[in-house]
Amino acid sequence: QVQLQESGPGLVKPTETLSLTCTVSGGSVSSGSHYWSWIRQPPGKGLEWIGYIHYDGTTNSSPSLKSRVTISVDTSKNQFSLKVSSVTAADTAVYYCARESTVVGFDPWGQGTLVTVSS
Amino acid sequence: QSVLTQPPSASGSPGQRVTISCSGSSSNIGSHYVFWYQQLPGTAPKLLIYRNDQRPSGVPDRFSGSKSGTSASLAITGLRSEDEADYYCAAWDDSLRAHVVFGGGTKLTVL
Repeated sequence: QVQLQESGPGLVKPTETLSLTCTVSGGSVSSGSHYWSWIRQPPGKGLEWIGYIHYDGTTNSSPSLKSRVTISVDTSKNQFSLKVSSVTAADTAVYYCARESTVVGFDPWGQGTLVTVSS
Repeated sequence: QSVLTQPPSASGSPGQRVTISCSGSSSNIGSHYVFWYQQLPGTAPKLLIYRNDQRPSGVPDRFSGSKSGTSASLAITGLRSEDEADYYCAAWDDSLRAHVVFGGGTKLTVL
């Protein structure tokens, strides 16, 4: 069964770039029928879709974050990554990676990783 | 402010039936499937309902989803203590807001 695992620094300074990687096991990021997504959840708040990438390089991201977000995929490592530039305290959140399909939506999800933006 | 509107809280006693509503618009729920996710305390969200009313394997049939127009509902029958969790609805969106929009979440308390 497919499993996803986020990794990256848990603490990022304001104005710097947040970088996370999601490693996929039990499946392939080269699957043509799936999109690989990032979703975040500020402490005590709801879910916010950040963006997705398809193995062919097609990306899409939330208009509210588009200017600061870069999503990439490394098929050789079976990973996809997220970069958010010029972070502020408002970017403090648990960041989840998830597989998305038009059939079942987001499934499965990674366990999530807390990223705190603080000096 | 979430694009999809859910009540912030819901509650019920063991064995009871509870429903959670999710209200949207023509650009999201009115045009697309609704998905429901369950987030147990301290864990990642998990797919609960897909394509309005379909249950993934392993999800008990106590959970059911429905959709009508620009609104959707999640119903839980035979409420159990382990159902205490946050529940989120989601749908694709045709506007410029985002590819997928979520509800603000409903915290379900089992009394």
